[in-house]
Amino acid sequence: DAGITQSPRHKVTETGTPVTLRCHQTENHRYMYWYRQDPGHGLRLIHYSYGVKDTDKGEVSDGYSVSRSKTEDFLLTLESATSSQTSVYFCAITTGGWDEQYFGPGTRLTVT
Amino acid sequence: SQQGEEDPQALSIQEGENATMNCSYKTSINNLQWYRQNSGRGLVHLILIRSNEREKHSGRLRVTLDTSKKSSSLLITASRAADTASYFCATVHLIDSLGGGADGLTFGKGTHLIIQP
Repeated sequence: DAGITQSPRHKVTETGTPVTLRCHQTENHRYMYWYRQDPGHGLRLIHYSYGVKDTDKGEVSDGYSVSRSKTEDFLLTLESATSSQTSVYFCAITTGGWDEQYFGPGTRLTVT
Repeated sequence: SQQGEEDPQALSIQEGENATMNCSYKTSINNLQWYRQNSGRGLVHLILIRSNEREKHSGRLRVTLDTSKKSSSLLITASRAADTASYFCATVHLIDSLGGGADGLTFGKGTHLIIQP
């Protein structure tokens, strides 16, 4: 998985609780992305980062925030989890914004 | 939506046969990429083809791109049981004429390929 880890790999949480997912890379790549994957929707971009403290919104950013204080870590936070955020979350990295992306193993999040 | 659309949604063939999957998209692209996802795993990059290229090969994989029709195809020759997976096309769309700024990939919903032994 190209030096990308995600934690936790599985999480069950209750509606209304905050949740933070972590993506860690050892490749020193500049660009990092968060996607969610849902049946019938494919992968959809939530947020991405093009450098430390440089982030931008993707297609489905509502209800999510991100932070990147170090090159190697990209955090995704659900401030107040809802059932609609039950999904599989993937982190990806790339050397350049247009190039092939390398994906982490995913985090399965269930919001009850 | 700029999302690509794969066709068919599902495909089941016998081992040894060739598998062809298609992808259509709506707006001009910088490049188009194909990914594979095995059940319960992350996506794995297969091939990237740029807008000025028409065909690329990688092992048993052949990708074509027709920008006039806004479509691409992925051909897997001599399929194996291990090729069973979901295959996604993903497009990088131009933000502006200078091509500046990072942009995530826009993924289609995938083709689920089953290779029968």
